[in-house]
This record gives sequence, C-alpha cells and structure tokens, in this order.
Amino acid sequence: EAGVTQFPSHSVIEKGQTVTLRCDPISGHDNLYWYRRVMGKEIKFLLHFVKESKQDESGMPNNRFLAERTGGTYSTLKVQPAELEDSGVYFCASSPEWWAGNTEAFFGQGTRLTVV
Amino acid sequence: KQEVTQIPAALSVPEGENLVLNCSFTDSAIYNLQWFRQDPGKGLTSLLLIQSSQREQTSGRLNASLDKSSGRSTLYIAASQPGDSATYLCAVRLGSSNTGKLIFGQGTTLQVKP
Repeated sequence: EAGVTQFPSHSVIEKGQTVTLRCDPISGHDNLYWYRRVMGKEIKFLLHFVKESKQDESGMPNNRFLAERTGGTYSTLKVQPAELEDSGVYFCASSPEWWAGNTEAFFGQGTRLTVV
Repeated sequence: KQEVTQIPAALSVPEGENLVLNCSFTDSAIYNLQWFRQDPGKGLTSLLLIQSSQREQTSGRLNASLDKSSGRSTLYIAASQPGDSATYLCAVRLGSSNTGKLIFGQGTTLQVKP
C-alpha cells in the first residue's frame, strides 16, 4: 500500500511568486491534514479536511494560503504571494476515520519550501 | 491552550545504553498520544500510539508510557543502536474537539555513537 505522497520534495521560489504543494493521502483515508515546520520551531497544524470539506482551518496563517481537496482525494496548498517567512517544511498527513477517533496519523516526507 | 514540551532537546549516548525521552503536556484532556521518528530530510514515521485509556505500548525495543493525570509520557529505548539516531517527536491529539489535529513538541535529537 502506498503511503502519503507529497510533491515536490523541494521548491525554491522568489518572494512574491506563487507555489502549489500537492499531497496524495493513503487511498481511502477521509482525513487529510496539513502541517508546517518553520526553522527552529515545532511542527504546527494548518488545517484538516474530512473528505472534501474543511473541518478545521484554525492554523492557516493568513489569506495568502489556500488549501483545496476537490473530490476528497488529493489536496493542494497554494501560497500566493509567497513571503520569506513562509519558508519551512510542509507536511501532509492522513488517517482513515472521518471522526477524530483513536486512529494513527500517517505522514508524508514533506515539501521543503525556500522563499528567497 | 495545550503545550507540549520535550526534554532533553538533544542527547548523545554510546551504543548499547538504555535511554528515556521525556514528553510533557499541559492539558490532560487528550485523546491519544503519538511518538514519531524523523530522520534528516525525511518524513515522520509513527512509532507508537497510546490511547488516553492506556498506560503503555510496546514495539520491539521501544516502550512508551502515558500518565495522563500528571501530563507526562516517556519513550524508553532499550539497547540503543547507531540506527536509532534520529529526532523523536511527541504529539498529542486533543480530546475536546473533533478536528483530530496533533500538537507537537519540538523533539529530542538523539545520537547513538558506535
């Protein structure tokens, strides 16, 4: 069974440009999460999808970030326009149950974003 | 507001030593607690998941304990090996909401010397 897959693995963009990150969750997982780790800080929650619906987007830093999950399969996270402080590693995770029960979260390898 | 703290931030031990990594959280109303391992440049690998009703979980040389009332968890690694070198992360899932989001500690970076 394929794990959580993220594309690209690395991205270097200039300030003001747009970047789109993609996450393919484990097949059949209703729950999809985005997290971010900026330099020197802990991993922080961004948002949670249940199927195609946003269950919790309380961690999204500002309106330059837009997440979508059309059809309840893969998800994209767009940053537009990118700022220097957006640099970090963006992780995606998925879990199987629609309710936040005692299920394990499986993480992708992350996308390292560098804004210069 | 739930906060997760991991001590120590870094640890270096000789091969073969038994060691304990600590994780503490401020709000005992958690749903579960998960320990992860992260190798440099890699994603997070789940090691152990402890439900809020459980006291411990074991997998091979790893044993994780949970004391909800005191807000603590420990990850015990027996007979450490150089291949155990990585960053170990503790994360709690909140019990009061249905979002399922995890609150992470900053991690403990472990180096096991041959």
